[in-house]
Amino acid sequence: SQTIHQWPATLVQPVGSPLSLECTVEGTSNPNLYWYRQAAGRGLQLLFYSVGIGQISSEVPQNLSASRPQDRQFILSSKKLLLSDSGFYLCAWSVTRGGGYTFGSGTRLTVV
Amino acid sequence: KNEVEQSPQNLTAQEGEFITINCSYSVGISALHWLQQHPGGGIVSLFMLSSGKKKHGRLIATINIQEKHSSLHITASHPRDSAVYICAVLPGSQGAQKLVFGQGTRLTINP
Repeated sequence: SQTIHQWPATLVQPVGSPLSLECTVEGTSNPNLYWYRQAAGRGLQLLFYSVGIGQISSEVPQNLSASRPQDRQFILSSKKLLLSDSGFYLCAWSVTRGGGYTFGSGTRLTVV
Repeated sequence: KNEVEQSPQNLTAQEGEFITINCSYSVGISALHWLQQHPGGGIVSLFMLSSGKKKHGRLIATINIQEKHSSLHITASHPRDSAVYICAVLPGSQGAQKLVFGQGTRLTINP
């Protein structure tokens, strides 16, 4: 079956520290992969998406970066976290046009 | 103006009431999703619609492509239905399927 794993579930990091969030997908090949963020009291916003290994598109300018070192692995990173990076981060995947969308369980990041 | 607008933003009802949440969008789409987000944050996909109507248990979702409008209905609502319900659309003609989200409707069902 197709599943998506995202970790960690919660994270508290000091300002200026690095960040690495990982997402992996099982049971499918060549998925489209996405990182979304939900800031407190706001809707979900697309940060990055990838249609293949090494291919990353950024939707909004920010302090974060993404990488896709393997077909089913998507990593969200930062070299130095800002307070404004706090939020709920969701990984998601989809396969074909018109196909379903599956979300990971999310990571709640608090930058202090 | 957001591309996806939901109403109401907040809804409180008594157990057993019939619930309707509305979603209007301004772009051409290939599909519309209704999502449920519980307090812990995790998101579950309830429906994906491109036309007509779908039903799953006490949940019903409808879409009118011509009017660019969708509704999510909950029959015989229960406190466990309390969550944020999010409408999201897939704009047509794009390679990656980038969802555009509404702001969500916070539903509270009181016993």
